[in-house]
Amino acid sequence: SAVISQKPSRDICQRGTSLTIQCQVDSQVTMMFWYRQQPGQSLTLIATANQGSEATYESGFVIDKFPISRPNLTFSTLTVSNMSPEDSSIYLCSVEDYSAGRTDTQYFGPGTRLTVL
Amino acid sequence: GQQLNQSPQSMFIQEGEDVSMNCTSSSIFNTWLWYKQEPGEGPVLLIALYKAGELTSNGRLTAQFGITRKDSFLNISASIPSDVGIYFCAGLHTGTASKLTFGTGTRLQVTL
Repeated sequence: SAVISQKPSRDICQRGTSLTIQCQVDSQVTMMFWYRQQPGQSLTLIATANQGSEATYESGFVIDKFPISRPNLTFSTLTVSNMSPEDSSIYLCSVEDYSAGRTDTQYFGPGTRLTVL
Repeated sequence: GQQLNQSPQSMFIQEGEDVSMNCTSSSIFNTWLWYKQEPGEGPVLLIALYKAGELTSNGRLTAQFGITRKDSFLNISASIPSDVGIYFCAGLHTGTASKLTFGTGTRLQVTL
């Protein structure tokens, strides 16, 4: 399966600031996804990031708050803008892995643990 | 957004016991995935199921794709301390651009 890394692994930020999270994959993938996992909760999809087009956001998430870039097939960034304590969560990227010949299986990065004070 | 119902919410078992957990949905899925998440880590894929009725094993883990396509089950045999973590099911509808819907999670604690 694809090897996924994220930077930073964790950060503590002040309210009103922004943080950009990077996701790097060791192979080219068509679709990358960004999820949020609030403390003690399950995972919620923020957006789908496709190379060459704007990200597609899920209900409740907007581009102004969570701008996403996807400059190539191995890299994506998620920015959490104008942060508030409610943004404290784990942010995870995932990719589809075609190595098994399927497009319906996703693998996750290690996550970025964000705390907003 | 929609979440899948997982049960039980948490389990405390003794080492060596077998574990069963399930995931149910009000809608049909075409793929079921089971993940395990340990503290400070991202979810790790355990088993993927692609066909109704399918039974798939991965070591001590066995998962089944329910025949109605609205549920899935995960069993862990002879549990060991490293099985501790949160287990999530996730379902995928065909034609939804690969958007996974996650379950609420089952927290497993194993005592010696």
